[in-house]
Amino acid sequence: DAKTTQPTSMDCAEGRAANLPCNHSTISGNEYVYWYRQIHSQGPQYIIHGLKNNETNEMASLIITEDRKSSTLILPHATLRDTAVYYCIVRARDDKIIFGKGTRLHILP
Amino acid sequence: GAVVSQHPSWVICKSGTSVKIECRSLDFQATTMFWYRQFPKQSLMLMATSNEGSKATYEQGVEKDKFLINHASLTLSTLTVTSAHPEDSSFYICSAVNGRGRGAYEQYFGPGTRLTVT
Repeated sequence: DAKTTQPTSMDCAEGRAANLPCNHSTISGNEYVYWYRQIHSQGPQYIIHGLKNNETNEMASLIITEDRKSSTLILPHATLRDTAVYYCIVRARDDKIIFGKGTRLHILP
Repeated sequence: GAVVSQHPSWVICKSGTSVKIECRSLDFQATTMFWYRQFPKQSLMLMATSNEGSKATYEQGVEKDKFLINHASLTLSTLTVTSAHPEDSSFYICSAVNGRGRGAYEQYFGPGTRLTVT
C-alpha cells in the first residue's frame, strides 16, 4: 500500500505557482520523499526528492515539514505542459517504488 | 540524465499469441529492473522485480507463468506476455535502477508500451 495521501485533483492558473501537498505521517527515518509526474500516455518523469531539507532544482521546489510528516511540491510558474498526474512517494533509497493514486493537476489557461 | 528505452512503443496482437516487450538502459548498467502495468485512469501497479542473472520476484496476484521476465544482461530485461487475452491489454512500463556511481539507487522509467489484444 502507498504510504502517502494526496488530493485527487487540483486546478492552477497558468503562470501561477502550483502547490501540491502530500501527507506521509508514517515516514521512517531512512525514507526519502520523491515526486514523479506522469503526462498522459508517457512513463513517469522524476521531478525531485529530499530527506529532510528543502530542495530546489530547475523543475520544482520541495518543502518538507520539520517533523517530516508532510511535504509540498511547488511548481513556481505553471504552464499548460505541467498538466499531469503527480505522485508523491516515500521510500528508502534501495526500495522499489509503489505508486499511489497521485494528484491530477489541471493547468487552466 | 539516465535513459531507459522500451520496444515496441505499441503493439497489437491476436488473442492466444505471445508478445515480447524489451526494456533497455542505454547509458548505465541496471542491476535491477521493474515492470509495471497501468490500466486506463488508474495508477501504475508493480508487477515484478527483475535482477540480472536471477529469477524475477513477482508481486502478489501476478501470474509468473503468464508474464515471463528475463534479465539476461545489465542493460536488457524482457517481459513476455504469453497466451495474451483482451484483458491483458494495458500500458506496460519498465524502470531501471542504476546500480553504481552517480545516481546510484535512482529509478529511471521507460516511455511505456501500449499492448492491445484483439
